[in-house]
Amino acid sequence: KNEVEQSPQNLTAQEGEFITINCSYSVGISALHWLQQHPGGGIVSLFMLSSGKKKHGRLIATINIQEKHSSLHITASHPRDSAVYICAVKSRTSYDKVIFGPGTSLSVIP
Amino acid sequence: EPEVTQTPSHQVTQMGQEVILRCVPISNHLYFYWYRQILGQKVEFLVSFYNNEISEKSEIFDDQFSVERPDGSNFTLKIRSTKLEDSAMYFCASSVTGELFFGEGSRLTVL
Repeated sequence: KNEVEQSPQNLTAQEGEFITINCSYSVGISALHWLQQHPGGGIVSLFMLSSGKKKHGRLIATINIQEKHSSLHITASHPRDSAVYICAVKSRTSYDKVIFGPGTSLSVIP
Repeated sequence: EPEVTQTPSHQVTQMGQEVILRCVPISNHLYFYWYRQILGQKVEFLVSFYNNEISEKSEIFDDQFSVERPDGSNFTLKIRSTKLEDSAMYFCASSVTGELFFGEGSRLTVL
């Protein structure tokens, strides 16, 4: 069983739709990252969180430590949001190792 | 805005050759990392580096891999004798507060 799982694996949305990507993990964590991987391969950090909720522009990330679950929400989606979104966790038992999820491929259609 | 830079962007090499991938982390960052992504697969942690030494490494990071920070700015990943299965995108990242800042990646193709 993978330590970090994401759903859905692939997602197609119409421009303007509200999008939710889910992440569940099976290990105790000290932090969770949401990352965006562009079609060209580059990776950008969107959020790092260990509790509660964070918001940046149209993006919102939430985490429920007790349920070992996090969600990434995109409001008013736009074609430029098309990318792979990756959830990654820093295990409490590890000093530096980050465990990556398989990613969710999002395509936003105009 | 400060960024992590990686060179080369793409390298093609013959099996058995040595490869050095270079990274220039953000200047005030203290923690440095290498990750690998084989085509179509998820990103995997290779190694972390702090205070001029390896702080943690994964099972992937065997004796054919090494890292160093030779001059206080560059952070390098050396693969001594490349294998076909080393073909991947290699990402460098740096951090000061825990948030990861990634480079654009170096694509390594081993023939």
